[in-house]
Amino acid sequence: GEDVEQSLFLSVREGDSSVINCTYTDSSSTYLYWYKQEPGAGLQLLTYIFSNMDMKQDQRLTVLLNKKDKHLSLRIADTQTGDSAIYFCAESMGNTDKLIFGTGTRLQVFP
Amino acid sequence: GAVVSQHPSWVICKSGTSVKIECRSLDFQATTMFWYRQFPKQSLMLMATSNEGSKATYEQGVEKDKFLINHASLTLSTLTVTSAHPEDSSFYICSASTGARTYEQYFGPGTRLTVT
Repeated sequence: GEDVEQSLFLSVREGDSSVINCTYTDSSSTYLYWYKQEPGAGLQLLTYIFSNMDMKQDQRLTVLLNKKDKHLSLRIADTQTGDSAIYFCAESMGNTDKLIFGTGTRLQVFP
Repeated sequence: GAVVSQHPSWVICKSGTSVKIECRSLDFQATTMFWYRQFPKQSLMLMATSNEGSKATYEQGVEKDKFLINHASLTLSTLTVTSAHPEDSSFYICSASTGARTYEQYFGPGTRLTVT
């Protein structure tokens, strides 16, 4: 089956870096994604990485992909209180548009 | 651009009644729309995939007679929860895709359904 696992909770001080980790099982994933969900809201696509890439940087966000270990991470530099939210990783299934979401990591940023 | 709306944003209904949730792509044509369900503090579970003009494809374990999906146009998909029960209470989120690439999948703000 398809399982995408994340740690449940992360707490960081404002200004520090946050690293959210994700492991997935489907080696045929084409794209891997990071979404942000604020309370009571839908999902906002933060960034994505194609499966043949190792790293992608987009302003404060850095995505690292270790395809051998099926491990994906999201690093947020200079974390702000507005970054407090739930972060989901997701993988696309083969050549389909279907997304399988991780369990979500709640990021709490304190002053 | 690429805005997806849902209506209503929240709804409370009595057990046994049916509820319709609309998902609209406001500024693009969505060949494919997806419906997800999210329980409190849990992840999103894909319920079904709908393509404009054809029948929806339901995920294993999702009752198609209970969760009726209609994708009548390139900008509108509806999810009707029939004969709702308290266990159907959840946060329902739709997403819309142009079908080109998955990173062009845009999510609606969600609809919170409470069945009393």
